[in-house]
Amino acid sequence: AQSVTQLDSHVSVSEGTPVLLRCNYSSSYSPSLFWYVQHPNKGLQLLLKYTSAATLVKGINGFEAEFKKSETSFHLTKPSAHMSDAAEYFCVVSDRVKTSYDKVIFGPGTSLSVIP
Amino acid sequence: NAGVMQNPRHLVRRRGQEARLRCSPMKGHSHVYWYRQLPEEGLKFMVYLQKENIIDESGMPKERFSAEFPKEGPSILRIQQVVRGDSAAYFCASSSLAQSYNEQFFGPGTRLTVL
Repeated sequence: AQSVTQLDSHVSVSEGTPVLLRCNYSSSYSPSLFWYVQHPNKGLQLLLKYTSAATLVKGINGFEAEFKKSETSFHLTKPSAHMSDAAEYFCVVSDRVKTSYDKVIFGPGTSLSVIP
Repeated sequence: NAGVMQNPRHLVRRRGQEARLRCSPMKGHSHVYWYRQLPEEGLKFMVYLQKENIIDESGMPKERFSAEFPKEGPSILRIQQVVRGDSAAYFCASSSLAQSYNEQFFGPGTRLTVL
């Protein structure tokens, strides 16, 4: 069965320091993986996606993620946090299991706080 | 090209009333998905529709909830006889195809409050 685990419900970093948001997944197919960001009382915005091309994926706003099949991980990183990065981040897996279409499963989210 | 539109953005209902949430997908998109986000939680899949067809409603409660995506007009998520536990943000997403490499584009959500 598909599942997504975000190991940290909350991460706090100082402005200018690196960001690491962890995500592990389980899938019985070749999944596509996404990271979405949600600012308070806003909709979701796609940061980046992996769809079986390059394993290191670069997204918007300086974020990137690396797909590691052996570790079933898709951690999100950014070299230097900015105050505007404070938001909720969701790791998402899209998989095709017993259906004719790809079903999307959201992780529980990680809340990122950036300290000035 | 306008994005996914949802209205209303905020909806307040008393217990027992009906809530009707609308979603207009992006132009050219024929696949619509509804998700529910409870406070402090991630998004949970509810239902996936194509024009005039419900493809997967496995995430939608069997009672009081229904969804449609008519040939003309927006997709509607309808909640009858709302209860306090229905208070949540409801997000709609659309895509041009059902395949995973086609990103789902999300609307801003409708925040339902049941008094």
